[in-house]
Amino acid sequence: DAGVIQSPRHEVTEMGQEVTLRCKPISGHDYLFWYRQTMMRGLELLIYFNNNVPIDDSGMPEDRFSAKMPNASFSTLKIQPSEPRDSAVYFCASSSQRGSPLHFGNGTRLTVT
Amino acid sequence: AQSVTQPDIHITVSEGASLELRCNYSYGATPYLFWYVQSPGQGLQLLLKYFSGDTLVQGIKGFEAEFKRSQSSFNLRKPSVHWSDAAEYFCAVGDSTGTASKLTFGTGTRLQVTL
Repeated sequence: DAGVIQSPRHEVTEMGQEVTLRCKPISGHDYLFWYRQTMMRGLELLIYFNNNVPIDDSGMPEDRFSAKMPNASFSTLKIQPSEPRDSAVYFCASSSQRGSPLHFGNGTRLTVT
Repeated sequence: AQSVTQPDIHITVSEGASLELRCNYSYGATPYLFWYVQSPGQGLQLLLKYFSGDTLVQGIKGFEAEFKRSQSSFNLRKPSVHWSDAAEYFCAVGDSTGTASKLTFGTGTRLQVTL
């Protein structure tokens, strides 16, 4: 079991640029979650998918953020245009069914200058 | 809306001493409760979970937690701390009535272990 795989591990970009974060969930997991972690706000749920369909995106901060899950093994979180306040660690997590624990990736540390 | 409070931001204990990390939750029904640990630069790893049944749950690495409905608490304990336990610990509550476990996390408690 390779676990949840996120790429890149680190991303440094300039304000205004587009950023794409990638996630491969654990095979067989039907739920995929995107979280953001900052010192000020802790861990925040941005969006989650069930069977590739977005279920709840109420945590997405602005229209600059978008997420897709084109198939069961891949999801992206895109920020366009990026701003310095988007700097954070973004985690992807997956779970197999309702109530099952989340399995987290190692995160992508995003720095927007 | 569900919420979690971890009142201790930072705790320091000596190696070999006992540990208790506090967690209080707010949720209308019987919650799903979790403790996760995060080492620097890493993702969150599940320590233990409570869904129902026995209110004392055992987890990995010698940790345990007790669900107390009357106190809305789910405190994490370990009888003897090891230096490798130094990390950040997160309590989380899950939506047991929804279609998925949307977890709401506490702000975390950073554990420092002195030798």
